[in-house]
Amino acid sequence: GAVVSQHPSWVICKSGTSVKIECRSLDFQATTMFWYRQFPKQSLMLMATSNEGSKATYEQGVEKDKFLINHASLTLSTLTVTSAHPEDSSFYICSARDPMGGGSRSEQFFGPGTRLTVL
Amino acid sequence: GENVEQHPSTLSVQEGDSAVIKCTYSDSASNYFPWYKQELGKGPQLIIDIRSNVGEKKDQRIAVTLNKTAKHFSLHITETQPEDSAVYFCAANRRYNQGGKLIFGQGTELSVKP
Repeated sequence: GAVVSQHPSWVICKSGTSVKIECRSLDFQATTMFWYRQFPKQSLMLMATSNEGSKATYEQGVEKDKFLINHASLTLSTLTVTSAHPEDSSFYICSARDPMGGGSRSEQFFGPGTRLTVL
Repeated sequence: GENVEQHPSTLSVQEGDSAVIKCTYSDSASNYFPWYKQELGKGPQLIIDIRSNVGEKKDQRIAVTLNKTAKHFSLHITETQPEDSAVYFCAANRRYNQGGKLIFGQGTELSVKP
């Protein structure tokens, strides 16, 4: 099946610094990737939809200047948390849709997540 | 917008028993309903999905049923095993070419006791 990787798997940073998280589709080309945030004991909340070669679409309430998304290739999307603060500490998960997949083109394949801790 | 309600939030069963998790959705245009299993510290893994033109789908010990009229769908796990213990999420999605995006339920923490 389709595989999505994330890097790093965890990161600890100081308040005020920026952190970049990478999301890669390993065996397929993903024209669309999604970024989610998950707080402990809560569900996944969609932050933004990332389309290759165009600007990301952010969900209501998500600051686009704080969470910078770049989808420069069909296999890589990056999320940069700028000027991170303790309240940004969370589990960030990406997913990708395989438009050429044999299954439903609505299906999303999820990465393993990145645990961000801001001190 | 779409809203997905999931119940129960926690479920404890004895090994070998069945577990049922239920979800309701609000957007009648939703036509894709996946179920995910998430283990601690990991990303969600798709375990089964169903499309709106099907009422039931089964894969070994896991089955999903869909009632489009009532806008609810359920996950059924039979002969539960300790390794089934995890958090399960339902989701609903419109077609990808209708701007579809997954809307998740709140999650159910399933505990299977040996």
